[in-house]
Amino acid sequence: NAGVTQTPKFRILKIGQSMTLQCTQDMNHNYMYWYRQDPGMGLKLIYYSVGAGITDKGEVPNGYNVSRSTTEDFPLRLELAAPSQTSVYFCASSSSRYEQYFGPGTRLTVT
Amino acid sequence: KQEVTQIPAALSVPEGENLVLNCSFTDSAIYNLQWFRQDPGKGLTSLLLIQSSQREQTSGRLNASLDKSSGRSTLYIAASQPGDSATYLCAVRPGGTSYGKLTFGQGTILTVHP
Repeated sequence: NAGVTQTPKFRILKIGQSMTLQCTQDMNHNYMYWYRQDPGMGLKLIYYSVGAGITDKGEVPNGYNVSRSTTEDFPLRLELAAPSQTSVYFCASSSSRYEQYFGPGTRLTVT
Repeated sequence: KQEVTQIPAALSVPEGENLVLNCSFTDSAIYNLQWFRQDPGKGLTSLLLIQSSQREQTSGRLNASLDKSSGRSTLYIAASQPGDSATYLCAVRPGGTSYGKLTFGQGTILTVHP
């Protein structure tokens, strides 16, 4: 099993550009999450999903959108990128009750 | 709102020393608590998960304890090695219908020198 995979690993965006961060899990987990981690800080929840077609906002959703059309995939869309969105983005998944498994992260710089 | 604090922010120890990392949380109504390890530039690796009904969990040289009533957890690392150098994060999952949303501490940066 590959677990949780994320693409791309690195990306540089110009202010105002848009992009989609991809996340795929092969563990048949219902729950999926997007977090961001700023330097020297813990992770903050952006959006989460409890199953295909069901998504909801986390702590810091502004400037982002998500969709969940399949169990496996949970892409994160950045519209009109801003320097404040420079961060490392982690996708995670879990079954309903147990531990979360994290992807390797996407390092995004907005200049 | 749940807040999670980790102390110390950084720790440097000689190889072979036993050490304790601390995690405190403000709302004791948690479902579980998870300890993670993060190597520089990498993702998070789950180390231990403690359910709210448990007092401790052990994996090899790692032992995590949970005192829900006082809002505290500790991660004990025995006989530390240079390979243990990493950032250690704790995260709590709220009780109730939380859908597994985790609240993270800011982490403890551990350096074990030979």
